Amino acid sequence: DAGVIQSPRHEVTEMGQEVTLRCKPISGHDYLFWYRQTMMRGLELLIYFNNNVPIDDSGMPEDRFSAKMPNASFSTLKIQPSEPRDSAVYFCAVMAQGANTQYFGPGTRLTVL
Amino acid sequence: GNSVTQMEGPVTLSEEAFLTINCTYTATGYPSLFWYVQYPGEGLQLLLKATKADDKGSNKGFEATYRKETTSFHLEKGSVQVSDSAVYFCALRVPTDKLIFGTGTRLQVFP
Repeated sequence: DAGVIQSPRHEVTEMGQEVTLRCKPISGHDYLFWYRQTMMRGLELLIYFNNNVPIDDSGMPEDRFSAKMPNASFSTLKIQPSEPRDSAVYFCAVMAQGANTQYFGPGTRLTVL
Repeated sequence: GNSVTQMEGPVTLSEEAFLTINCTYTATGYPSLFWYVQYPGEGLQLLLKATKADDKGSNKGFEATYRKETTSFHLEKGSVQVSDSAVYFCALRVPTDKLIFGTGTRLQVFP
């Protein structure tokens, strides 16, 4: 198994542009989490899904952020429009039903100029 | 509410020194406790865990004991290596809820 796959690994964009981050989870892991990591705020949970259904999106900073999980094999985190303060590393993580260990992807480093 | 407090870093040690990174928690119910490690440029990965009081988690020479009486889960290693340089996160999970992470402690080990 290849583990959690995130793309792109690095993204540089200009303020106001739309950014889409992608995550391919490990097969059979029913929970999917999106995190954001910055020096100032540390690791923040943005949203998580169970069986493709959003369970808790209270960490999503504002309406510019949206996340979808159309099927068990794919999730996206979209920022529209992007702002410089969105610059961070975004992680996708998964967990199997009934388990308590999360497996993280390698992250996407986003820079908004 | 549920929360995790861990010591601020960076922790700077010489190779073969003894390591302790303190972690205390506040939780309703009976949480599971975790230490995750993040190496430079990578995502977090589970280092060890303990699911009930007095359990000891261990991996790669690291240990932590779930102490309910002191609500602590301190990470220890008897002899650190340069390759242990990373950021260490303490975390808890109450059943059916999400992981609550601490702020992370950066460890720097010099030869």
